[in-house]
Amino acid sequence: DQQVKQNSPSLSVQEGRISILNCDYTNSMFDYFLWYKKYPAEGPTFLISISSIKDKNEDGRFTVFLNKSAKHLSLHIVPSQPGDSAVYFCAATHGGATNKLIFGTGTLLAVQP
Amino acid sequence: NAGVTQTPKFRVLKTGQSMTLLCAQDMNHEYMYWYRQDPGMGLRLIHYSVGEGTTAKGEVPDGYNVSRLKKQNFLLGLESAAPSQTSVYFCASSSLEEQYFGPGTRLTVT
Repeated sequence: DQQVKQNSPSLSVQEGRISILNCDYTNSMFDYFLWYKKYPAEGPTFLISISSIKDKNEDGRFTVFLNKSAKHLSLHIVPSQPGDSAVYFCAATHGGATNKLIFGTGTLLAVQP
Repeated sequence: NAGVTQTPKFRVLKTGQSMTLLCAQDMNHEYMYWYRQDPGMGLRLIHYSVGEGTTAKGEVPDGYNVSRLKKQNFLLGLESAAPSQTSVYFCASSSLEEQYFGPGTRLTVT
């Protein structure tokens, strides 16, 4: 029972273009969503997050959009750079004392020079 | 600040052997977590701790035990390793929603 789904295992984009990574979730109790970036042989690093009270959050080249009615979020990277090539995980959590995150399976982004 | 560190980075075990993975954080975080990452599976929570002296089961706890005797350390133990426990193990800590991850331990059980 995958509560957080990333249906695209991989994505290839040209440098300078937009990268759009998608994530769907099934649990309507989730109220906070995060994106993590992971390079090979390293741990995931936090990228950007969004609360369910917002529908957009922007940080430099990275923007996350949340569509609660569709239970869908997306990460936009504009413009994409070769250094953005990594695995991107979306994660979700709901209010509580544990801060447990439920992760998606990840999308491997390859930005071609 | 070293952040979150994990020891060892690599380990090969034979079936039935035991080992302990050590996680240490210097950010004074209350919460600590152990995950495993397998191809096509994302990160799955094994055990977690909401404070010193507390532990709780996550999504895939079977075959693992944990201890949090000090706030800065979270230990993951495998009492009798099985090939199904071949994986990359990540430790994380957090104060709020954002979790900070260690660099991982690649474990192979033959």
